[in-house]
Amino acid sequence: LAKTTQPISMDSYEGQEVNITCSHNNIATNDYITWYQQFPSQGPRFIIQGYKTKVTNEVASLFIPADRKSSTLSLPRVSLSDTAVYYCLVGEGNYGQNFVFGPGTRLSVLP
Amino acid sequence: GAVVSQHPSWVICKSGTSVKIECRSLDFQATTMFWYRQFPKQSLMLMATSNEGSKATYEQGVEKDKFLINHASLTLSTLTVTSAHPEDSSFYICSAGGMTSGTGELFFGEGSRLTVL
Repeated sequence: LAKTTQPISMDSYEGQEVNITCSHNNIATNDYITWYQQFPSQGPRFIIQGYKTKVTNEVASLFIPADRKSSTLSLPRVSLSDTAVYYCLVGEGNYGQNFVFGPGTRLSVLP
Repeated sequence: GAVVSQHPSWVICKSGTSVKIECRSLDFQATTMFWYRQFPKQSLMLMATSNEGSKATYEQGVEKDKFLINHASLTLSTLTVTSAHPEDSSFYICSAGGMTSGTGELFFGEGSRLTVL
């Protein structure tokens, strides 16, 4: 399983764009990159998943360079409610594979 | 999206008693479920992988006789903390991936907070 490295914490202000980068140097060919968000006392919630290039949904964008050794989660115009821990996970994406959680990035959005 | 539900969301018990936590996949069949434990300010730690119809696979350092896992159907896995002690107090989270999860997205339950007095 590919190991991931993220910043431990980040601060931002409301309305700003936040970019969280994750390093996964030993990502395998079949691995997908998935980001989860977790609020205190709740289970992680899926944000976005990608394999290469760029993926965008209604809440975030995911940028993956050609070598796939890193990825960047982009949150446009964050609000106070985006304060949470964000986890970058890398895995093959089949039904039976577990994901290994790193420490994640604790994002604090300030007013 | 797919929904995974846990019950109870919180439980308080006396030391020495056993507690069962249920994890259900509500709108898809989960051939595999995972159980995690999370201590305050820490990340999720995988405890075990639960496979429908077979024995669970436990991570190193997790006592299989203390944390009993049963995955009797494609929609239900249970975690029983036997003879619970205060050090077992934690936030337990299950997740499921299954035949409809496509690219391997895991769906997580809401979590169950166990407090052992």
